[in-house]
Amino acid sequence: GAVVSQHPSWVICKSGTSVKIECRSLDFQATTMFWYRQFPKQSLMLMATSNEGSKATYEQGVEKDKFLINHASLTLSTLTVTSAHPEDSSFYICSPWTSGRPDTQYFGPGTRLTVL
Amino acid sequence: ILNVEQSPQSLHVQEGDSTNFTCSFPSSNFYALHWYRWETAKSPEALFVMTLNGDEKKKGRISATLNTKEGYSYLYIKGSQPEDSATYLCAFSNDYKLSFGAGTTVTVRA
Repeated sequence: GAVVSQHPSWVICKSGTSVKIECRSLDFQATTMFWYRQFPKQSLMLMATSNEGSKATYEQGVEKDKFLINHASLTLSTLTVTSAHPEDSSFYICSPWTSGRPDTQYFGPGTRLTVL
Repeated sequence: ILNVEQSPQSLHVQEGDSTNFTCSFPSSNFYALHWYRWETAKSPEALFVMTLNGDEKKKGRISATLNTKEGYSYLYIKGSQPEDSATYLCAFSNDYKLSFGAGTTVTVRA
């Protein structure tokens, strides 16, 4: 399988601060990056899809101004949670994808965000 | 949002016993059904990608079947071992986006 890293693995922050999560695809070039989140006892839910060098597409109910996604290179995407609030506390996980591997999606290990 | 359901939510199995659990998904506009094995603090590990009705796939002691007409898939674990303890996720796709079930958490007791 592919090697995907995420940093940090967990973060605790105060309400109102911003948090940046990095996702790196270490052994293949990801033309697309999916960002998911999982609230306790719920399914992984797709938040947004970003293609390298272009703006992200957000799923219904996900605020694009709150969750800023940058996919500047084929191996790095970042998700910034701006002005985080306790309701943003969740598990965030990235999934790089490329048309060269259409049938399999790989995932990072995830980031646990807790907003106090 | 596509409705993908997994049952049961959790199960306990004695070491050496076999077990199975289900994933149900929409039967229309089917492209692929994915199974993942997810251990705490690790990345979800891809087990199977199934695309054809009637598909059966096997990886060691783990196997899966697919019925796209009725919208369900079974995952089987034969002769469960403690290392099989994990959450098993299924995900349905009708394009390249995945819709996940909430998972079945398997605990194997020694």
